[in-house]
This record gives sequence, structure tokens and C-alpha cells, in this order.
Amino acid sequence: GAVVSQHPSRVICKSGTSVKIECRSLDFQATTMFWYRQFPKQSLMLMATSNEGSKATYEQGVEKDKFLINHASLTLSTLTVTSAHPEDSSFYICSADGQPSGNTIYFGEGSWLTVV
Amino acid sequence: AQKITQTQPGMFVQEKEAVTLDCTYDTSDPSYGLFWYKQPSSGEMIFLIYQGSYDQQNATEGRYSLNFQKARKSANLVISASQLGDSAMYFCAMREFNTGNQFYFGTGTSLTVIP
Repeated sequence: GAVVSQHPSRVICKSGTSVKIECRSLDFQATTMFWYRQFPKQSLMLMATSNEGSKATYEQGVEKDKFLINHASLTLSTLTVTSAHPEDSSFYICSADGQPSGNTIYFGEGSWLTVV
Repeated sequence: AQKITQTQPGMFVQEKEAVTLDCTYDTSDPSYGLFWYKQPSSGEMIFLIYQGSYDQQNATEGRYSLNFQKARKSANLVISASQLGDSAMYFCAMREFNTGNQFYFGTGTSLTVIP
């Protein structure tokens, strides 16, 4: 079964509004969570690394004021897309470290964001 | 240099046949892990198989096996007895354990299983 849960799976919002995406680790404590963005037919692009209780580390070119990341607990990280624009429409997916076993990272189901 | 290279944008395989998806990597970290993920059209990333750099034997998970050739820095995924449900994008990834623990993904291979 899923070890990382992401919600919502699909969201449509109006341009100028903000939308929050949640990433939860199930049955384990995620010391680190990663947020990715994926454009159609492309690979995953790491946006930021989120550590519980500290500020997220953003990759070069990612606007930290636009993509707010909060990792308030060991099981929850949130990505808020602020003042969304149509060009923010994309597939966003999270993953969590501190996995139950092995060295792998498990991913959430992903969230399709459409800004109209 | 690219950390992970997948040279096959698209592959086709007949149902019940085996298929090999290529992956090469580049690292100077002696401790690393290699991963394969499957991404169906729904978008979720499904973990398939893992190979550690110090593992002596090739990893296997059901119909998936990883052909690990360390000297050539390749980690090809072999899917045996292909099924229609195997049609998806497949991503190879690497994690360097001594160098920040970051994940690096390849560009992916789109696999289509033909009935």
C-alpha cells in the first residue's frame, strides 16, 4: 500500500488565488520531503528539499515566495502555490525520506494543478 | 555531465516478451544507489527495484531485474514476460549517499507493450 499520501490529486483554481498541496508520510516519520514539478513528457524537476522544523532549501530558479513550503511535522509537508498563474499549471509530486526500509524514496500520488 | 542518461525515449515490446531499458550513470561517490520507477499515465511514481553500489548480486523483484555493470556504470532494467499493464514511463534514478543524498533522475523511457 501507499506509504506517502498526497492531496488533492487534482485541483483547478482561478488565476491569482493560492492553492495548497499536502504530502503526508504514512506510518513513518519523514525527516526530509522533496517537492518536484513535472512538465508533460519530461522528467521530474526538483523544486525544493524540506526538512522538518527548518526552512526549505530551494533549487536554483525556483521562486521561494511563490512556492511556499512548510514542513511542520515529521509526517506532513505542504506546498502552497501563491498567486497562481496559468504557467504554474503542472504536475507536482512529493517524496519522503526516512522511509520504512531500504534506501529508496517513496512518492506521493502527485497533484495535477490547473490554473484558469 | 549528466548524472543519469536514458538513451531510449520510446520502446515497444510484444506482450509476453522481455525488454531491456537502458540506463547509464556518472558519479565519483563510491557509495550510491540506483533505482527504477514506473510512472503510468495517472502520474504516480511506483518504486520498482533498487541496487546498491556495494551489492554483489543483481537485484531482482518479481518480473523486474536490474543488470548492474559497475565498471561500465550501467544499470539496465529488464522486464520479463511483458504485460499490457507495463505500458508506462520508466525512470532511472541515482542517489549519492556521501554527497548530499540528492536524487538524480533520467529523462525517462516510454514503454509500450503491444498485444
